[in-house]
Amino acid sequence: EVQLVESGGGAVRPGGSLRLSCAASGFTFDDYAMGWVRQAPGKGLEWVSSINWNGDSTTYADSVRGRFTISRDNARNSLSLQMNSLRAEDTAMYHCVRDVGYTRGNWFDPWGQGILVTVSS
Amino acid sequence: DIQMTQSPSSLSASVGDRVTITCRASESISTYLNWYQQKPGEAPKLLMFDASKMIYVALSLQSGVPSRFRGSGSGTDFTLTITSLQPEDFATYYCQQSFSPPWTFGQGTKVEIK
Repeated sequence: EVQLVESGGGAVRPGGSLRLSCAASGFTFDDYAMGWVRQAPGKGLEWVSSINWNGDSTTYADSVRGRFTISRDNARNSLSLQMNSLRAEDTAMYHCVRDVGYTRGNWFDPWGQGILVTVSS
Repeated sequence: DIQMTQSPSSLSASVGDRVTITCRASESISTYLNWYQQKPGEAPKLLMFDASKMIYVALSLQSGVPSRFRGSGSGTDFTLTITSLQPEDFATYYCQQSFSPPWTFGQGTKVEIK
């Protein structure tokens, strides 16, 4: 069974940092791009970032570019999101996703259950 | 960025009803359009990619998505139709364009019980 399990969330003050991790299992990790999609409480979905299969190509939403860094460790089947200079508007559930395709024509499947990040003073 | 607009934002329907959700892109995206279903407290689940295609489970050749879900459209206008609404279909549905990054979603359509 394909599974994505996030960890590392929690509460942080504005300007602080947090590192999210995603453990992948049930598929050949380095065959796929991976990504993060977030959902603010009671709101819709917002794509955050994606990384290609070997980590040499990354893309970011404008809202996080320069503050967030996505990375992966194929030896450990692991995806990470380093979040710096956090703002209140970054408060959301962060879902790890398998980004099937990575470029035009991609889709996100499956999704992890998500990990909550709360940015508040 | 490509803007995605869904309508309606919410709807009430009864079991057995035919339900149609519309998604409009701010520019032509060919058929690069995906649909997701999200039930309360759960992660979103892919329903359809490339506007009308379903994922088939490897080896079993069965789709994990019931055949009552139908996707259609191209260019800027797309629809997701549930031909006969079932109790497990009450959820929020999102479209997402996969034509060009940043990948953007519609605001969602919540399907509620009448």
